[in-house]
Amino acid sequence: KAGVTQTPRYLIKTRGQQVTLSCSPISGHRSVSWYQQTPGQGLQFLFEYFSETQRNKGNFPGRFSGRQFSNSRSEMNVSTLELGDSALYLCASSLGPLGTEAFFGQGTRLTVV
Amino acid sequence: GQQLNQSPQSMFIQEGEDVSMNCTSSSIFNTWLWYKQDPGEGPVLLIALYKAGELTSNGRLTAQFGITRKDSFLNISASIPSDVGIYFCAGSSGAGSYQLTFGKGTKLSVIP
Repeated sequence: KAGVTQTPRYLIKTRGQQVTLSCSPISGHRSVSWYQQTPGQGLQFLFEYFSETQRNKGNFPGRFSGRQFSNSRSEMNVSTLELGDSALYLCASSLGPLGTEAFFGQGTRLTVV
Repeated sequence: GQQLNQSPQSMFIQEGEDVSMNCTSSSIFNTWLWYKQDPGEGPVLLIALYKAGELTSNGRLTAQFGITRKDSFLNISASIPSDVGIYFCAGSSGAGSYQLTFGKGTKLSVIP
């Protein structure tokens, strides 16, 4: 059974640009959540989707957005990139509502220059 | 908001020694999860706990869900070099929350 797949693995962008990250959950999992990981702040919750609906959102500016498709695949978008957005972005999938076992992908390492 | 205090921040131990780390929360959690993360990789789920007082093992790892539902600990017995990494606790308050709150991690180094 394939795990959570995130693409791309690495990304370098310039300040002011926008970026889209992709996440394919484990087959059959309908909940997808996104986290930002930085050395200073640790793992911070961005948002969670279930059946194409955003059910919860973390304390991030509106530049961070996401969506989920009917096949449960999810994308997150960051517009007007800032240097502080450099981080490892992790996607996790769960069979049911998050709060049960969440399985993470390898992450996308975003560097903003 | 919810906060998780994880300790210790880092540990240096001799191969073969036992390790203990814990997390405490400012509020009640209904689920506790323990993860291990290697450099450049995503966290890997080690143990999931769902009931207060629950004690669960996974090989050399044992974790417990505290009776107060505000704490959890993870023990690693007879450590080996591949145990090196960062261990995270994570908690969820349950239905309606749909998010995990993470501790800052415990960095484990094993001296052969």
